[in-house]
Amino acid sequence: AQTVTQSQPEMSVQEAETVTLSCTYDTSESDYYLFWYKQPPSRQMILVIRQEAYKQQNATENRFSVNFQKAAKSFSLKISDSQLGDAAMYFCAYRGRETSGSRLTFGEGTQLTVNP
Amino acid sequence: EPEVTQTPSHQVTQMGQEVILRCVPISNHLYFYWYRQILGQKVEFLVSFYNNEISEKSEIFDDQFSVERPDGSNFTLKIRSTKLEDSAMYFCASRGGPNTGELFFGEGSRLTVL
Repeated sequence: AQTVTQSQPEMSVQEAETVTLSCTYDTSESDYYLFWYKQPPSRQMILVIRQEAYKQQNATENRFSVNFQKAAKSFSLKISDSQLGDAAMYFCAYRGRETSGSRLTFGEGTQLTVNP
Repeated sequence: EPEVTQTPSHQVTQMGQEVILRCVPISNHLYFYWYRQILGQKVEFLVSFYNNEISEKSEIFDDQFSVERPDGSNFTLKIRSTKLEDSAMYFCASRGGPNTGELFFGEGSRLTVL
């Protein structure tokens, strides 16, 4: 079974600084997706960024970028120029590609605080 | 922008009562999911649904739970006899097709069982 591990329950960053959230996963599949979702206090799950395992290039979305290390099964999220609105719980998630309709497996989450 | 909608946003019920949570997935999506999140805990998979049948379910999804897509637009989760431990946020999600990766989530339905 696939597992996703986020070893940082809490992180904090100063406004305008950069922070990196860590994620590791375990899988025997060769093709899969990885995601970072953001959950603000409203508790809605918002997609931040996605990475397809077959792509070597790291995904970027404006101030958000990932460091995808397939051999190490590591998928970290870097937030640049942190803003107060970035404060939220961040979940790393995995979905295999080989099985149609396969589940999304989440990590435990990292609570990010942005200090003004 | 298309979105997944869920109703009710919050429901309070007595232990032993039946609850139905409703979801309207994005209209051209083919895969549907229910997840739950107990307060302060991780997001847990309950069930996935494709082609009018359950494609996968977790160990949490026991006989007390059922899902249905009654009319081609709604996707419902029924809990037959609620327990205190069913108190959680329930998220519906949908996904477009076999080659699409991400799930799009609704805003969640908070269930409180007294």
